[in-house]
Amino acid sequence: DAGVIQSPRHEVTEMGQEVTLRCKPISGHDYLFWYRQTMMRGLELLIYFNNNVPIDDSGMPEDRFSAKMPNASFSTLKIQPSEPRDSAVYFCASNLPAPPGNTIYFGEGSWLTVV
Amino acid sequence: AQSVAQPEDQVNVAEGNPLTVKCTYSVSGNPYLFWYVQYPNRGLQFLLKYITGDNLVKGSYGFEAEFNKSQTSFHLKKPSALVSDSALYFCAVGNSGYALNFGKGTSLLVTP
Repeated sequence: DAGVIQSPRHEVTEMGQEVTLRCKPISGHDYLFWYRQTMMRGLELLIYFNNNVPIDDSGMPEDRFSAKMPNASFSTLKIQPSEPRDSAVYFCASNLPAPPGNTIYFGEGSWLTVV
Repeated sequence: AQSVAQPEDQVNVAEGNPLTVKCTYSVSGNPYLFWYVQYPNRGLQFLLKYITGDNLVKGSYGFEAEFNKSQTSFHLKKPSALVSDSALYFCAVGNSGYALNFGKGTSLLVTP
């Protein structure tokens, strides 16, 4: 299995620009998670989906952030407009359809720098 | 609310010595506890988990963790540390939901 695939791996953009991060979950996984990692705040859950439907988006920092999952094999996290404080590593993760306690598998992350 | 705490930002240990990385949890109901490891510029990799059953859980790369309900702890251990174990370690907790809440991480440095 190829694992969770994220793109781009690294992105440097100017403040005010739109950023789109992409994720392909592991085939057969029907839960998808977006996490953000910063030195100050550690790993934060932004949003997660079940069967392409957003279940909990309470971690999304503000209206500049949006996430979609148009089908079972693709999700995007968009920041518009981007700000320097959005600089972080954004992880996508996915999970098997099973009772709670199943392992979440992470992608390699998208390193975002907003200058 | 479910949460975990990792009281140490960094743990230093000499190669060949036993290591312990501490984690305590707070959750209503039965906890599902996890340890993940992150190497530089990489994603998080699953090490082990406790769902139910035996309090001593064995995982990847020779790591193990002991679930202690009375102390609400889930410390990660390894009998003999390797330099290659140097990484960032995260404890995480989930319960009835499907997402995990992570601790802030503990940086493990194993010196030769």
